[in-house]
Amino acid sequence: NAGVMQNPRHLVRRRGQEARLRCSPMKGHSHVYWYRQLPEEGLKFMVYLQKENIIDESGMPKERFSAEFPKEGPSILRIQQVVRGDSAAYFCASSLRLGEQYFGPGTRLTVT
Amino acid sequence: DQQVKQNSPSLSVQEGRISILNCDYTNSMFDYFLWYKKYPAEGPTFLISISSIKDKNEDGRFTVFLNKSAKHLSLHIVPSQPGDSAVYFCAAMGGGADGLTFGKGTHLIIQP
Repeated sequence: NAGVMQNPRHLVRRRGQEARLRCSPMKGHSHVYWYRQLPEEGLKFMVYLQKENIIDESGMPKERFSAEFPKEGPSILRIQQVVRGDSAAYFCASSLRLGEQYFGPGTRLTVT
Repeated sequence: DQQVKQNSPSLSVQEGRISILNCDYTNSMFDYFLWYKKYPAEGPTFLISISSIKDKNEDGRFTVFLNKSAKHLSLHIVPSQPGDSAVYFCAAMGGGADGLTFGKGTHLIIQP
Protein backbone atom coordinates (compact mmCIF):
# COMPACT_ATOMS: atom_id res chain seq x y z
CA ASN A 1 0.00 0.00 0.00
CA ALA A 2 2.70 2.45 -1.07
CA GLY A 3 1.75 6.03 -0.46
CA VAL A 4 3.20 9.06 -2.18
CA MET A 5 6.97 8.65 -2.48
CA GLN A 6 9.42 11.52 -2.58
CA ASN A 7 13.16 11.48 -2.98
CA PRO A 8 15.56 12.52 -1.87
CA ARG A 9 14.32 13.23 1.65
CA HIS A 10 17.14 15.70 2.21
CA LEU A 11 19.05 17.63 -0.41
CA VAL A 12 21.91 20.06 0.09
CA ARG A 13 22.94 22.32 -2.75
CA ARG A 14 25.36 25.22 -3.06
CA ARG A 15 24.12 28.50 -4.43
CA GLY A 16 23.95 28.38 -8.21
CA GLN A 17 23.51 24.60 -8.47
CA GLU A 18 20.43 22.79 -9.70
CA ALA A 19 18.02 20.87 -7.47
CA ARG A 20 15.85 18.02 -8.76
CA LEU A 21 13.06 16.71 -6.57
CA ARG A 22 11.14 13.57 -7.48
CA CYS A 23 7.64 12.45 -6.65
CA SER A 24 5.88 9.18 -7.38
CA PRO A 25 2.12 9.47 -6.80
CA MET A 26 -0.04 6.83 -5.16
CA LYS A 27 -0.95 3.97 -7.45
CA GLY A 28 -3.84 4.94 -9.69
CA HIS A 29 -3.58 8.66 -8.96
CA SER A 30 -3.21 10.87 -12.00
CA HIS A 31 -3.24 14.29 -10.31
CA VAL A 32 0.01 15.59 -8.82
CA TYR A 33 0.54 18.79 -6.84
CA TRP A 34 3.67 20.46 -5.50
CA TYR A 35 3.73 22.65 -2.39
CA ARG A 36 6.47 24.55 -0.58
CA GLN A 37 6.62 25.17 3.16
CA LEU A 38 8.87 27.85 4.58
CA PRO A 39 9.73 27.78 8.32
CA GLU A 40 6.78 28.74 10.56
CA GLU A 41 4.48 28.97 7.53
CA GLY A 42 1.72 26.89 6.03
CA LEU A 43 2.12 25.03 2.77
CA LYS A 44 1.94 27.16 -0.38
CA PHE A 45 0.62 25.69 -3.62
CA MET A 46 3.05 25.78 -6.51
CA VAL A 47 1.83 23.68 -9.42
CA TYR A 48 -0.78 21.09 -10.43
CA LEU A 49 -0.02 18.52 -13.11
CA GLN A 50 -1.63 15.60 -14.83
CA LYS A 51 0.27 13.15 -17.02
CA GLU A 52 2.24 15.18 -19.59
CA ASN A 53 0.28 18.36 -18.82
CA ILE A 54 0.73 21.34 -16.54
CA ILE A 55 -2.80 22.29 -15.49
CA ASP A 56 -2.18 25.16 -13.07
CA GLU A 57 1.19 26.75 -12.32
CA SER A 58 -0.18 29.91 -10.72
CA GLY A 59 1.90 29.39 -7.56
CA MET A 60 5.18 28.73 -9.31
CA PRO A 61 7.88 31.43 -9.34
CA LYS A 62 8.27 32.72 -12.88
CA GLU A 63 11.99 32.06 -13.11
CA ARG A 64 14.25 29.13 -12.29
CA PHE A 65 11.40 26.75 -11.33
CA SER A 66 9.87 24.15 -13.61
CA ALA A 67 7.84 20.98 -13.17
CA GLU A 68 6.94 18.01 -15.29
CA PHE A 69 4.96 14.79 -15.01
CA PRO A 70 6.00 12.59 -17.92
CA LYS A 71 4.02 9.71 -19.33
CA GLU A 72 6.42 7.30 -17.64
CA GLY A 73 8.23 7.92 -14.39
CA PRO A 74 7.91 10.30 -11.48
CA SER A 75 6.99 13.95 -11.43
CA ILE A 76 10.03 16.23 -11.22
CA LEU A 77 10.30 19.67 -9.66
CA ARG A 78 13.42 21.37 -10.93
CA ILE A 79 15.02 24.46 -9.44
CA GLN A 80 17.85 26.00 -11.42
CA GLN A 81 20.55 28.23 -9.95
CA VAL A 82 19.31 27.80 -6.39
CA VAL A 83 19.51 30.69 -3.91
CA ARG A 84 19.36 30.66 -0.09
CA GLY A 85 15.69 31.69 -0.19
CA ASP A 86 14.85 28.39 -1.91
CA SER A 87 15.67 26.51 1.31
CA ALA A 88 12.38 24.96 2.38
CA ALA A 89 10.44 21.73 2.62
CA TYR A 90 8.88 20.73 -0.68
CA PHE A 91 5.87 18.44 -0.54
CA CYS A 92 4.23 16.52 -3.31
CA ALA A 93 0.61 15.37 -3.12
CA SER A 94 -1.52 13.18 -5.35
CA SER A 95 -5.21 12.58 -5.78
CA LEU A 96 -7.51 10.30 -7.70
CA ARG A 97 -9.76 13.23 -8.58
CA LEU A 98 -10.18 16.79 -7.36
CA GLY A 99 -10.71 16.50 -3.61
CA GLU A 100 -8.62 14.91 -0.89
CA GLN A 101 -4.93 15.12 -1.60
CA TYR A 102 -2.46 12.68 -0.08
CA PHE A 103 0.98 13.97 0.74
CA GLY A 104 4.43 12.50 0.56
CA PRO A 105 7.03 12.88 3.34
CA GLY A 106 8.63 15.88 1.69
CA THR A 107 12.11 16.85 0.50
CA ARG A 108 14.03 19.25 2.72
CA LEU A 109 16.20 21.44 0.52
CA THR A 110 19.06 23.33 2.11
CA VAL A 111 21.00 25.84 0.05
CA THR A 112 24.42 26.71 1.44
CA ASP B 1 -3.18 38.44 1.85
CA GLN B 2 -4.00 35.33 3.87
CA GLN B 3 -7.20 33.73 2.65
CA VAL B 4 -7.18 30.97 5.29
CA LYS B 5 -6.38 31.97 8.85
CA GLN B 6 -5.69 29.92 11.92
CA ASN B 7 -5.37 32.52 14.63
CA SER B 8 -4.16 30.26 17.41
CA PRO B 9 -0.54 29.20 16.84
CA SER B 10 -0.83 26.72 19.70
CA LEU B 11 -3.42 25.07 21.91
CA SER B 12 -2.96 22.97 25.03
CA VAL B 13 -5.68 20.49 26.08
CA GLN B 14 -5.93 17.90 28.82
CA GLU B 15 -6.04 14.27 27.74
CA GLY B 16 -9.63 13.03 27.55
CA ARG B 17 -11.09 16.51 27.02
CA ILE B 18 -12.34 18.08 23.80
CA SER B 19 -9.91 19.87 21.47
CA ILE B 20 -11.41 22.60 19.29
CA LEU B 21 -9.32 24.03 16.48
CA ASN B 22 -10.60 27.02 14.59
CA CYS B 23 -10.16 28.32 11.06
CA ASP B 24 -11.47 31.41 9.25
CA TYR B 25 -11.46 32.12 5.55
CA THR B 26 -12.07 35.17 3.41
CA ASN B 27 -12.69 33.79 -0.09
CA SER B 28 -16.39 33.04 -0.54
CA MET B 29 -15.54 30.96 -3.64
CA PHE B 30 -13.98 28.21 -1.53
CA ASP B 31 -16.26 25.17 -1.77
CA TYR B 32 -14.38 22.36 -0.06
CA PHE B 33 -12.47 22.34 3.21
CA LEU B 34 -10.01 19.86 4.66
CA TRP B 35 -8.08 19.30 7.87
CA TYR B 36 -4.62 17.80 7.90
CA LYS B 37 -2.43 16.66 10.77
CA LYS B 38 1.33 16.95 10.59
CA TYR B 39 4.13 15.51 12.68
CA PRO B 40 7.65 16.98 12.47
CA ALA B 41 9.68 15.81 9.46
CA GLU B 42 6.63 14.11 7.91
CA GLY B 43 4.11 15.09 5.27
CA PRO B 44 0.59 16.22 6.21
CA THR B 45 -1.90 13.42 6.80
CA PHE B 46 -5.48 13.89 5.65
CA LEU B 47 -7.99 13.78 8.52
CA ILE B 48 -11.43 14.91 7.45
CA SER B 49 -13.12 17.15 4.90
CA ILE B 50 -16.40 18.94 4.34
CA SER B 51 -18.18 20.27 1.31
CA SER B 52 -19.66 23.76 1.40
CA ILE B 53 -23.15 22.28 0.98
CA LYS B 54 -22.90 20.65 4.40
CA ASP B 55 -22.50 22.10 7.87
CA LYS B 56 -21.15 19.06 9.69
CA ASN B 57 -19.14 15.96 8.96
CA GLU B 58 -18.16 13.33 11.50
CA ASP B 59 -15.59 10.54 11.40
CA GLY B 60 -14.91 8.73 14.65
CA ARG B 61 -13.39 11.14 17.17
CA PHE B 62 -13.19 13.93 14.58
CA THR B 63 -16.00 16.30 13.65
CA VAL B 64 -15.74 19.29 11.37
CA PHE B 65 -18.31 22.10 11.52
CA LEU B 66 -18.77 24.69 8.79
CA ASN B 67 -20.50 28.06 9.25
CA LYS B 68 -20.64 29.55 5.76
CA SER B 69 -22.22 32.83 6.79
CA ALA B 70 -19.40 33.44 9.26
CA LYS B 71 -16.77 31.93 6.92
CA HIS B 72 -15.63 29.81 9.82
CA LEU B 73 -14.90 26.15 10.36
CA SER B 74 -13.77 24.18 13.34
CA LEU B 75 -12.36 20.74 14.05
CA HIS B 76 -13.46 18.97 17.21
CA ILE B 77 -11.48 16.05 18.58
CA VAL B 78 -13.09 14.14 21.41
CA PRO B 79 -11.74 12.57 23.50
CA SER B 80 -8.25 13.99 22.95
CA GLN B 81 -5.42 11.47 23.10
CA PRO B 82 -1.64 11.92 23.49
CA GLY B 83 -1.11 10.82 19.87
CA ASP B 84 -3.19 13.79 18.75
CA SER B 85 -0.31 16.13 19.62
CA ALA B 86 0.73 17.55 16.26
CA VAL B 87 0.32 20.60 14.04
CA TYR B 88 -3.14 20.83 12.45
CA PHE B 89 -3.63 22.62 9.15
CA CYS B 90 -6.89 23.88 7.78
CA ALA B 91 -7.03 23.95 3.97
CA ALA B 92 -9.54 25.15 1.40
CA MET B 93 -10.19 24.32 -2.22
CA GLY B 94 -11.80 26.40 -4.96
CA GLY B 95 -11.59 30.14 -5.35
CA GLY B 96 -10.08 29.91 -8.80
CA ALA B 97 -7.00 27.82 -8.01
CA ASP B 98 -6.57 24.08 -8.34
CA GLY B 99 -4.29 23.69 -5.36
CA LEU B 100 -5.19 23.81 -1.69
CA THR B 101 -4.88 27.07 0.24
CA PHE B 102 -3.49 26.35 3.70
CA GLY B 103 -3.58 28.17 7.00
CA LYS B 104 -0.38 28.51 9.02
CA GLY B 105 -1.35 25.72 11.39
CA THR B 106 -2.15 25.26 15.07
CA HIS B 107 0.18 23.25 17.28
CA LEU B 108 -2.02 21.05 19.49
CA ILE B 109 -0.44 19.77 22.69
CA ILE B 110 -2.30 17.11 24.66
CA GLN B 111 -1.33 17.19 28.32
CA PRO B 112 -1.41 13.89 30.25
